Amino acid sequence: DAKTTQPPSMDCAEGRAANLPCNHSTISGNEYVYWYRQIHSQGPQYIIHGLKNNETNEMASLIITEDRKSSTLILPHATLRDTAVYYCIVRVWGAGGGADGLTFGKGTHLIIQP
Amino acid sequence: SAVISQKPSRDICQRGTSLTIQCQVDSQVTMMFWYRQQPGQSLTLIATANQGSEATYESGFVIDKFPISRPNLTFSTLTVSNMSPEDSSIYLCSAGQGGPYEQYFGPGTRLTVT
Repeated sequence: DAKTTQPPSMDCAEGRAANLPCNHSTISGNEYVYWYRQIHSQGPQYIIHGLKNNETNEMASLIITEDRKSSTLILPHATLRDTAVYYCIVRVWGAGGGADGLTFGKGTHLIIQP
Repeated sequence: SAVISQKPSRDICQRGTSLTIQCQVDSQVTMMFWYRQQPGQSLTLIATANQGSEATYESGFVIDKFPISRPNLTFSTLTVSNMSPEDSSIYLCSAGQGGPYEQYFGPGTRLTVT
C-alpha cells in the first residue's frame, strides 16, 4: 500500500470548516483513500473513502486531486466532539488485494478550539 | 454498518499468564482482524482471523504468542499468551465485508501486565 504523509497536528475554531490534508504521491490506480478518526480512548471510527471522485456523506467531504497524489478531508462545521486523531490510509483493492487489514500511520491530531 | 463488542473492556494481569479477548459482531462479516495499539502509538495489525482456518499473521507476530480463533462469521478470539509488561496495550478487533468496503472497529480491550 502507498505511504501517506499528514501534518502531526492542527487547530481549528469551533464552527469553522476543518481541512485536513494528506499526501499520497505514490498512490497507484487501484488504491482507495480512506479516512478514519480515533477519539481518545475509543476504537477508530470510519469516516469516508474514495477512489478518484470527490465524496460526501453526513460526516465529511473528501476531495481528491485530479492526479490522486493528495486529498483533503473536510469537516464542514467542526465541533468540540471532532477533536481526535485523523488517519489517512491508502489501501489497494482489486486483483490480489482487498483482504488485508489497514496500515495506520501517525495521523493528524486535530484540536477544535472553543 | 456493523456493531462490534469486545470482552473484557480492560484487565490487569500478572506476568506469565494468558488472557483471551472476545470479539462479537452483530452481523455476519467476511473479514475480521486484530490490532494492537501500544501506549501513545498508532494501531498495528496483528493478524487476519480466517473463518475455519488458521489466522494469517503479520511480520513480528506469531501464533504461539497470539493464538486466534474464528469459529463462525460473527465471532473471534485473540489470546495473549505468557504475558510480559511489554504486552501492555490496547487490543482492538475490526470487521468488514472485504473488497473496497470500510472496516468497523470495536472499543478495544485495555490490557495492563504487571
